[in-house]
Amino acid sequence: SYELTQPPSVSVSPGQTASITCSGDKLGDKYACWYQQKPGQSPVLVIYQDTKRPSGIPERFSGSNSGNTATLTISGTQAMDEADYYCQAWDSGVVFGGGTKLTVL
Amino acid sequence: QVQLVQSGAEVKMPGASVKVSCKTSGYTFTGYYMNWVRQAPGQGLEWMGWINPNSGSTNYTQNFQGRVTMTRDTSISTAYMEVTRLRFDDTAVYYCARAYPGIGLAGTRWFDYWGQGTLVTVSS
Repeated sequence: SYELTQPPSVSVSPGQTASITCSGDKLGDKYACWYQQKPGQSPVLVIYQDTKRPSGIPERFSGSNSGNTATLTISGTQAMDEADYYCQAWDSGVVFGGGTKLTVL
Repeated sequence: QVQLVQSGAEVKMPGASVKVSCKTSGYTFTGYYMNWVRQAPGQGLEWMGWINPNSGSTNYTQNFQGRVTMTRDTSISTAYMEVTRLRFDDTAVYYCARAYPGIGLAGTRWFDYWGQGTLVTVSS
């Protein structure tokens, strides 16, 4: 079965750029999307089709996908961006990455 | 506006069954696959499967085949997910989530709207 691998944790200083990776076999041949989940809340879609932002998602969130790796980039990271982030792809069904805890310190 | 409102928390004994509802509004219920996603305490997201609300056809992941049933009532735009023979490790928050784009379009999908989640606790 298809697997997506994310780092368990990423740390970033306020105002800096955070990058969260998601790796899978030939992931660049598929579309990736990303969800943000804060404690006690439902996930929120922040990137879909590799690079697109839903309405209401700040411009500081961006995405890319090439080769075996999709990347979520948060520019000018704010304290409110501290959350768990999950990548997701489609391979004969929905596949989630294991999630990455982003700490802003 | 699109809304997915789930039923309340449940506490069940091992071996029992639980049925969670997801009432939708603000869009054409039969136009989009409805998915169920599970999240055990402190763990990641796990896709359980989906139902086509138009036809009633379902697609369950192997992990849940035989113990999960997804149904719908189109007259009240509500989806249901039932888990039978509950085990302690079924303790989790269960989410319903709408898949976009709509039924009839091939290719990748993502979840644009989620319910608030339903905590199911399996305890003796």
